[in-house]
Amino acid sequence: GQNIDQPTEMTATEGAIVQINCTYQTSGFNGLFWYQQHAGEAPTFLSYNVLDGLEEKGRFSSFLSRSKGYSYLLLKELQMKDSASYLCAVMNSNYQLIWGAGTKLIIKP
Amino acid sequence: GAVVSQHPSWVICKSGTSVKIECRSLDFQATTMFWYRQFPKQSLMLMATSNEGSKATYEQGVEKDKFLINHASLTLSTLTVTSAHPEDSSFYICSAKLPLAGGPQETQYFGPGTRLLVL
Repeated sequence: GQNIDQPTEMTATEGAIVQINCTYQTSGFNGLFWYQQHAGEAPTFLSYNVLDGLEEKGRFSSFLSRSKGYSYLLLKELQMKDSASYLCAVMNSNYQLIWGAGTKLIIKP
Repeated sequence: GAVVSQHPSWVICKSGTSVKIECRSLDFQATTMFWYRQFPKQSLMLMATSNEGSKATYEQGVEKDKFLINHASLTLSTLTVTSAHPEDSSFYICSAKLPLAGGPQETQYFGPGTRLLVL
């Protein structure tokens, strides 16, 4: 079967750094996506990785290791508005997006 | 700015009635749109893939006669929840494929979602 695993919930402090991990097993691989979803809202696209390595975009960075079936989303200089769920999704060989259950990130002052 | 819109954002209806939700792609043509459902504190669940000019592809366990999907144009897909019941109360979200800037790959951009409450 296909599955995406990520922690259910994480807590971090404002101004700190947090890393949200995602491991996956899918039928083929055509890229890994991270989305942010605030409570009561639809997901918004954050990042895309298809090659191994780190993609940096402002305070957010995403890393991919295809051989390990592993990715992480790194959030720096955390702000209260970063409190949200972070969804990891993998596009398989059929170009279908397989979704993780999401990681709820709680930011404390 | 938003690339996908949904209407209405909120619906409250009586049990047994039908509700239509519209999903529009703004300033681009979407041959493929997706309909998701999300219950509180749960992940997105793909209901169906909507293809312009052809029948939708439903995921296992989703009743196609209950959740009618029509994708009659390249900018509009509709989801009709027929004979809605309280257990259909959920957050319904559509998305459309759009190419990622600077790359060959596509991703999904989501509409703002529609909250359905069936009394």
